[in-house]
Amino acid sequence: GENVEQHPSTLSVQEGDSAVIKCTYSDSASNYFPWYKQELGKRPQLIIDIRSNVGEKKDQRIAVTLNKTAKHFSLHITETQPEDSAVYFCASRSNDYKLSFGAGTTVTVRA
Amino acid sequence: EAGVAQSPRYKIIEKRQSVAFWCNPISGHATLYWYQQILGQGPKLLIQFQNNGVVDDSQLPKDRFSAERLKGVDSTLKIQPAKLEDSAVYLCASSQQLEAGVEQYFGPGTRLTVT
Repeated sequence: GENVEQHPSTLSVQEGDSAVIKCTYSDSASNYFPWYKQELGKRPQLIIDIRSNVGEKKDQRIAVTLNKTAKHFSLHITETQPEDSAVYFCASRSNDYKLSFGAGTTVTVRA
Repeated sequence: EAGVAQSPRYKIIEKRQSVAFWCNPISGHATLYWYQQILGQGPKLLIQFQNNGVVDDSQLPKDRFSAERLKGVDSTLKIQPAKLEDSAVYLCASSQQLEAGVEQYFGPGTRLTVT
């Protein structure tokens, strides 16, 4: 089955700086890569996603890049704010329709 | 639109007891998922339904876990008997269809503690 690795496990940034989270996947047939944000005690919520036919996607301060050849994708958050503090999960979806999640990155934005 | 509903929100049981969780997906969503999220880890898919049929249950420990979605709407997940390692948050999610790129909406989860 699909294996998704996510790094780093924790990330502390100064408010206003950028944060980058990286994920790798194992199944070359994977075709959909969502990112979820989970605040403490709350449900995961989709923040951005990318399909395999696109190399980059941006939504305001959030961007995702995908390198299919290397089988890795990254989340970029610019101009971080305290409300960006949360756990972020990457995920990968292969042809068997299953979504496999990374272990998560705890992001702390220092004021 | 109303979100995915789950109950109960919290449950504490002793090992070897039984427990059941209920999920009501977003109206009109054909696909329903049950995930197990152990503390400090990402959600792990247990089972997914398309209407009332099982699409994948390869990661469901079938000796103790069972799930059903009889009328293609609500779903229940049961654990019998529970083990200590079953302590986790059980998340239900739904999506309009099964295809890639269709957003999954998560419920608030049921936090299970097995003592």
